[in-house]
Amino acid sequence: AQSVTQPDIHITVSEGASLELRCNYSYGATPYLFWYVQSPGQGLQLLLKYFSGDTLVQGIKGFEAEFKRSQSSFNLRKPSVHWSDAAEYFCAVDAAGNKLTFGGGTRVLVKP
Amino acid sequence: ETGVTQTPRHLVMGMTNKKSLKCEQHLGHNAMYWYKQSAKKPLELMFVYNFKEQTENNSVPSRFSPECPNSSHLFLHLHTLQPEDSALYLCASRTGFGTNEKLFFGSGTQLSVL
Repeated sequence: AQSVTQPDIHITVSEGASLELRCNYSYGATPYLFWYVQSPGQGLQLLLKYFSGDTLVQGIKGFEAEFKRSQSSFNLRKPSVHWSDAAEYFCAVDAAGNKLTFGGGTRVLVKP
Repeated sequence: ETGVTQTPRHLVMGMTNKKSLKCEQHLGHNAMYWYKQSAKKPLELMFVYNFKEQTENNSVPSRFSPECPNSSHLFLHLHTLQPEDSALYLCASRTGFGTNEKLFFGSGTQLSVL
């Protein structure tokens, strides 16, 4: 069965600093990979997704993610964080056909 | 605003109550989902409906009863819940398949069972 691990439960970053959120997945083949963001009191919004091709994926809000097959990872990055990026971020895998499996989430706090 | 609307936003119920959660989308999507988001646990898929037919029940207890009368509406009927059922219940609808798939989530119903 597929699984997704986000090792960091909380990350605190200063505004303007870079951010990297880790995601590792477990699956026999290359699944479809996603990053979602959830702001307080809101549902999840898709940031970006990877299906195939270029391993560096660009998303919305200045985020990007890099798929590394050898490490079974799909880490999310942003070069310069804004206060509005404070939220919870979820990595997800779709390996069984239109059924997402989510990681536990990483809560990002942004210091002024 | 994703186009997926969930009501109510908040719900407090006793263990003997019966209540229903509603999800509505007019995006023309034919697949709808219920997810449960508990504190300190990953989002859990509960049910999937494709073209009004239930195609996935992820071992959900029978005290949760979904209903999909048409492609635009999805309900989750609740009865005799337990305090551990307190969570954020998220509805989602899906467009496309495979590389074109995209989920649109509602803002959720925050449920508290007393």
